[in-house]
Amino acid sequence: DTEVTQTPKHLVMGMTNKKSLKCEQHMGHRAMYWYKQKAKKPPELMFVYSYEKLSINESVPSRFSPECPNSSLLNLHLHALQPEDSALYLCASSREQAYGYTFGSGTRLTVV
Amino acid sequence: GQQLNQSPQSMFIQEGEDVSMNCTSSSIFNTWLWYKQDPGEGPVLLIALYKAGELTSNGRLTAQFGITRKDSFLNISASIPSDVGIYFCAGQPLGHGNQFYFGTGTSLTVIP
Repeated sequence: DTEVTQTPKHLVMGMTNKKSLKCEQHMGHRAMYWYKQKAKKPPELMFVYSYEKLSINESVPSRFSPECPNSSLLNLHLHALQPEDSALYLCASSREQAYGYTFGSGTRLTVV
Repeated sequence: GQQLNQSPQSMFIQEGEDVSMNCTSSSIFNTWLWYKQDPGEGPVLLIALYKAGELTSNGRLTAQFGITRKDSFLNISASIPSDVGIYFCAGQPLGHGNQFYFGTGTSLTVIP
């Protein structure tokens, strides 16, 4: 299994809703990442988990809350988002530091 | 985050032509990655470079890690219509563990 699986593929949520994005990999990778990508822009790093511990938070607002329940799963909990948070949210994993990432197909999030 | 400047921003070429794009940074990087992204999908890793001066090929694609460690280059030979997409470089700055930052992207259009 050489894939990173993200669910859901599409999500529409209101500004008062609470929702979660899920990411799963079974490649034995010990580093997992959340990126945010706006249209026609490069992906922007949000969070890095290394061996299930949060190692990097790129000054992301607290309305985004990551969670790594085990080495295969990564969640991103969303609460009280703003319309400008609408974007493609990408999950990635890698074997170790400095190795290339494998990305999932992303969750297209729309905040209304 | 780090600034990676990628050029050109877009390219329109005839099928069969060769393509060159590059990525530059003001910082020294340990690792350079090149990705291709199709619309609505996550980026797919094309080539990873780990040492200054390294030249690596993947089919018709060749990438180089610049000697100064502040730049990288990607060449595509004999382009075909399925090469269409956005190409991103990504670099890992010295001393930044799991963090990769993405370039601004090069949009490639291949005219049959």
